[in-house]
Amino acid sequence: SQKIEQNSEALNIQEGKTATLTCNYTNYSPAYLQWYRQDPGRGPVFLLLIRENEKEKRKERLKVTFDTTLKQSLFHITASQPADSATYLCALDMGYGGATNKLIFGTGTLLAVQP
Amino acid sequence: DVKVTQSSRYLVKRTGEKVFLECVQDMDHENMFWYRQDPGLGLRLIYFSYDVKMKEKGDIPEGYSVSREKKERFSLILESASTNQTSMYLCASSKAGGNTGELFFGEGSRLTVL
Repeated sequence: SQKIEQNSEALNIQEGKTATLTCNYTNYSPAYLQWYRQDPGRGPVFLLLIRENEKEKRKERLKVTFDTTLKQSLFHITASQPADSATYLCALDMGYGGATNKLIFGTGTLLAVQP
Repeated sequence: DVKVTQSSRYLVKRTGEKVFLECVQDMDHENMFWYRQDPGLGLRLIYFSYDVKMKEKGDIPEGYSVSREKKERFSLILESASTNQTSMYLCASSKAGGNTGELFFGEGSRLTVL
């Protein structure tokens, strides 16, 4: 079955630097991959989606890459700010050969941006 | 502003009690989901529904049931709560079709079973 691995250790960076978070999956390449942000005690909030035929997607200071050969997605936040501090979750569609709209989530990586 | 509303943010129940967690969405979404989130385990899918009166088991359905009598409402039921069901429960919805699957989550219901 499909598994997702995100770095469980917290990522600490200085304000203004670029944060890079990693998401690796173990099995078939999904139809799409998503990234969510979750603040303590709150539900996750959708940030970006990238499809299997896309290499890169950008939204303001966010950038996501998708490498189906490496079975990996990288999530970048440029010019990071303390307000970016949160847990970031990677999610994949569970479907094989097409989207099912059912997502499997990684455990998330906690990002702490120091002022 | 689109919204997924979960009826209770915090609940404390006793072992053996029947527990209802309610979720309502105002986006006319076809798909609705219940996840639980535990430290180190991430979000795990309990049940989901693609349509009214339709339900399918997720990865961890044991000890839970669901009800979807109306499109906007999806209820999670713990027939006899146990301490290992202490968790954060998250409801989510999404639009059917397409290759998007973006989930809209509620704020979560933190359940403690004593």
